[in-house]
Amino acid sequence: GEDVEQSLFLSVREGDSSVINCTYTDSSSTYLYWYKQEPGAGLQLLTYIFSNMDMKQDQRLTVLLNKKDKHLSLRIADTQTGDSAIYFCALDMGRRALTFGSGTRLQVQP
Amino acid sequence: GAGVSQTPSNKVTEKGKYVELRCDPISGHTALYWYRQSLGQGPEFLIYFQGTGAADDSGLPNDRFFAVRPEGSVSTLKIQRTERGDSAVYLCASSHHETREVHEQYFGPGTRLTVT
Repeated sequence: GEDVEQSLFLSVREGDSSVINCTYTDSSSTYLYWYKQEPGAGLQLLTYIFSNMDMKQDQRLTVLLNKKDKHLSLRIADTQTGDSAIYFCALDMGRRALTFGSGTRLQVQP
Repeated sequence: GAGVSQTPSNKVTEKGKYVELRCDPISGHTALYWYRQSLGQGPEFLIYFQGTGAADDSGLPNDRFFAVRPEGSVSTLKIQRTERGDSAVYLCASSHHETREVHEQYFGPGTRLTVT
């Protein structure tokens, strides 16, 4: 929605790094999340970051949080064709329900 | 060890009809969420149950939408007098956040509703 914005599309070559960006307006979230959605499959939680952290690394995934600029990013190292999917950032905005961005479609070219 | 399941996977109905969508959460999960995902958009929150009660129904678009969870497990989302604008994928998620601070929600595959 308008509270959480993402670019629509990203294309990278296999083996390169991918960086998916998310900006938001509300700063009340405790946790910020990245979800992955593949065709015909449910949303899968990839990783999350606590709001008082600047960075979190989890294998090939690196999450960066800039609270001042209200900017969240997901970096995927050594991107593979299996990483092709739609990626959503999501914020809790201080409540249980999540507010999602509109998603970034990642296309990985061989 | 099943995940969240939703039935039916697809539902086609005529404008004005009543529909029910079912969600079976992961066993033991106390929290259950309904979201709606329109084409090209992210999921939008509808309602959240903690146990049997609706703890937050602020996302329900109007009074045609209603959801129940009578025994604190299975939930049914009910839509009356369906409109073409209700066409979307309805997603259910569950979580067991009483013992964990981070609200890790596990999503089902969704029910695709088409109103003709």
